Amino acid sequence: AQKITQTQPGMFVQEKEAVTLDCTYDTSDPSYGLFWYKQPSSGEMIFLIYQGSYDQQNATEGRYSLNFQKARKSANLVISASQLGDSAMYFCAMRGDNNAGNMLTFGGGTRLMVKP
Amino acid sequence: KAGVTQTPRYLIKTRGQQVTLSCSPISGHRSVSWYQQTPGQGLQFLFEYFSETQRNKGNFPGRFSGRQFSNSRSEMNVSTLELGDSALYLCASSLDQGHTIYFGEGSWLTVV
Repeated sequence: AQKITQTQPGMFVQEKEAVTLDCTYDTSDPSYGLFWYKQPSSGEMIFLIYQGSYDQQNATEGRYSLNFQKARKSANLVISASQLGDSAMYFCAMRGDNNAGNMLTFGGGTRLMVKP
Repeated sequence: KAGVTQTPRYLIKTRGQQVTLSCSPISGHRSVSWYQQTPGQGLQFLFEYFSETQRNKGNFPGRFSGRQFSNSRSEMNVSTLELGDSALYLCASSLDQGHTIYFGEGSWLTVV
């Protein structure tokens, strides 16, 4: 079984500052993928970034980077230079690569609020 | 490139009725997954279809069913609706074991 834990229900960050959203995971799969999504109030889940368990380098996509620490089983999302439009729910998710298809297990989410 | 399209976006149904939701994946994507999102239970996996076959299934009662057509479009059906089925239903599409899984805007279902 897989489990994703996001311990921060809500966070505030000042505009233009960086923020780290925590995600820890648990799995027995030798190979897996980790995903982060942004969900505005409209409901759409917007894909942000992907990290494979065997990737040697931390993933980056524009202002988003993933601080992947495999031994600690953590995959924290770092957003640099926060913008007002970054205010949303953020979800960490995992896909096991052992015949799991594309089934994702999600954490409970973190609500990020950017202050002007 | 068109994204994942879900219809309808909003709907209201009465207890005991049934509902069908539709999802058109990104062109070329053969994997389609469905999720239910509620405030109490969060995001829960319903099922995944790949090349018209159900590949994975979550822990939901048999009232929840789905199918996938030869063009990869997928539908999910909920029969005998209950108040607790009120939720946002999200569809996702991807290449097989892809590094990106894209979601649609969701279908907001309210059961009264």
